[in-house]
Amino acid sequence: DTAVSQTPKYLVTQMGNDKSIKCEQNLGHDTMYWYKQDSKKFLKIMFSYNNKELIINETVPNRFSPKSPDKAHLNLHINSLELGDSAVYFCASSTGGTMNTEAFFGQGTRLTVV
Amino acid sequence: SQQGEEDPQALSIQEGENATMNCSYKTSINNLQWYRQNSGRGLVHLILIRSNEREKHSGRLRVTLDTSKKSSSLLITASRAADTASYFCATGSAGYSSASKIIFGSGTRLSIRP
Repeated sequence: DTAVSQTPKYLVTQMGNDKSIKCEQNLGHDTMYWYKQDSKKFLKIMFSYNNKELIINETVPNRFSPKSPDKAHLNLHINSLELGDSAVYFCASSTGGTMNTEAFFGQGTRLTVV
Repeated sequence: SQQGEEDPQALSIQEGENATMNCSYKTSINNLQWYRQNSGRGLVHLILIRSNEREKHSGRLRVTLDTSKKSSSLLITASRAADTASYFCATGSAGYSSASKIIFGSGTRLSIRP
């Protein structure tokens, strides 16, 4: 069983389109994240949700809208895709506690905007 | 903004040698974690060291933490070809409403020569 699964694994789309990436975790964690990894391998946190509530939004354009229908799911919807959105997007989850915040990652979604 | 900076950015060593990677961070933390990322894959958690700990071991891994210098090091002993990957440090801190925030450094690309 995959602990954190995200779909699709690859996504190629044209500029201006709207797309979604789905993420599900079966670990019972309270906290879920979205990270963006650019071509230089920098990992930047985008969002953090705790029990379906948005906790962290790291100056991400409002074209990016996370949705958490329940604490096991955190989907990422992107409107009006731009070339600069091309990256690998990782979903992760953790217990959210202050002393044990090991994160479990999905395999990533490679988004290519053409 | 990035929290951690790994040093060096890239490291190439002979199989069997030890590899040492360093990480510096900026703000106060609850814990510091090290992750490995194989090419094209998600991140895998290696080890977590709490802010009140100074050293931790796990198999061939040894992690140190110096909170006064805001730095950590990861030592991999007796390196193997399978250790070839990128290694990231990440700092964990408690955020709003007990949600944690895990911020990653820029990573060290480790190559093990056979």
